[in-house]
Amino acid sequence: NAGVTQTPKFQVLKTGQSMTLQCAQDMNHNSMYWYRQDPGMGLRLIYYSASEGTTDKGEVPNGYNVSRLNKREFSLRLESAAPSQTSVYFCASSNRDSPNQPQHFGDGTRLSIL
Amino acid sequence: GNSVTQMEGPVTLSEEAFLTINCTYTATGYPSLFWYVQYPGEGLQLLLKATKADDKGSNKGFEATYRKETTSFHLEKGSVQVSDSAVYFCALRWGRDDKIIFGKGTRLHILP
Repeated sequence: NAGVTQTPKFQVLKTGQSMTLQCAQDMNHNSMYWYRQDPGMGLRLIYYSASEGTTDKGEVPNGYNVSRLNKREFSLRLESAAPSQTSVYFCASSNRDSPNQPQHFGDGTRLSIL
Repeated sequence: GNSVTQMEGPVTLSEEAFLTINCTYTATGYPSLFWYVQYPGEGLQLLLKATKADDKGSNKGFEATYRKETTSFHLEKGSVQVSDSAVYFCALRWGRDDKIIFGKGTRLHILP
């Protein structure tokens, strides 16, 4: 019963490097999300996908791109990493057709940009 | 717009003390309300939820009541344990929009 799986768990990058954070869910959820968590800021939504092939910007999309490859997978890409993108990144999923149901979260990717 | 405000931490208590973490919200209509918990090094987990006014959510000894008249959803526990040390997030979801708005989180430390 994996739920939401994120890879990698930790990553250190140099400024200007690129990388993709992977996320997959096995709960047949239609909606998926990427958040970043910074001290004192709570969770901030980066991008959101209501279904395969659709994506929408959240509160803090600048510097990121996303791909909803299929119903299971939703990746987040940093094209040119900046120190301000040092954060913990969480992927989540939910069933859009059940408004009273919560989002399910992965364990996070801890990303440091030097 | 819709928003969630929760008490700032950290909150430090002794084991077996009574816990209250305040949460108030602003929303149009009738949102669903949630408390999530985040243990060190982990993602967020749903702790409890309430979907309509006067509902009480409960789990693991924690309780919260959906108070529409005061737009509040305060988290309470009668006797905390060291294992309750974590960050707690209040959140709301409204209408058919499946995005959730989170509060900034309250860090709880329980001393043995």
